[in-house]
Amino acid sequence: DAMVIQNPRYQVTQFGKPVTLSCSQTLNHNVMYWYQQKSSQAPKLLFHYYDKDFNNEADTPDNFQSRRPNTSFCFLDIRSPGLGDAAMYLCATSGRTGYNSPLHFGNGTRLTVT
Amino acid sequence: GNSVTQMEGPVTLSEEAFLTINCTYTATGYPSLFWYVQYPGEGLQLLLKATKADDKGSNKGFEATYRKETTSFHLEKGSVQVSDSAVYFCALSGIGQGAQKLVFGQGTRLTINP
Repeated sequence: DAMVIQNPRYQVTQFGKPVTLSCSQTLNHNVMYWYQQKSSQAPKLLFHYYDKDFNNEADTPDNFQSRRPNTSFCFLDIRSPGLGDAAMYLCATSGRTGYNSPLHFGNGTRLTVT
Repeated sequence: GNSVTQMEGPVTLSEEAFLTINCTYTATGYPSLFWYVQYPGEGLQLLLKATKADDKGSNKGFEATYRKETTSFHLEKGSVQVSDSAVYFCALSGIGQGAQKLVFGQGTRLTINP
């Protein structure tokens, strides 16, 4: 089945130690998104790629970066994780422009910062 | 800016009870509206959507009607089941750089007891 896959499901990192989360998709969608979801809060969009074009949200901290080497893969890099960055990170894709096409989400990576 | 407000949870009901989860929104223009569901340990899945005023989205016994005059998109189900236990997110979409940018409500945790 076509899907969005996030690895790992659970990631533990130390305060200040860089960490990378990965997302892959078999849907051949041209848009990929990264959301941050803290406990009991709404998912918050960090950035997205439209093909190779990177689009950062205005309030996304510089500590968060992303790479998309090809259509199928997208990475979230946290350069110096702080305790406040502990959250569930959700990757999503969408295949068409227009505001009524649904997003397809992965199962998320839960990040713990010690 | 765009925003979504959901009724606070958690909501606990008995099986076969009637469910309503309220959702209101603030937006410029005419966004599409969505309900997403997140089952334990999984990513978000689209439950239903409506793209213009007076549209009714429906899926798996759930319904929601896009009410422009009250800026609402309340989720209803006539008879809930234990398997409906999950977190429900109301969302609206805006367009940015060719991608769909969802704005989520804070989520409502629903627990159905047998």
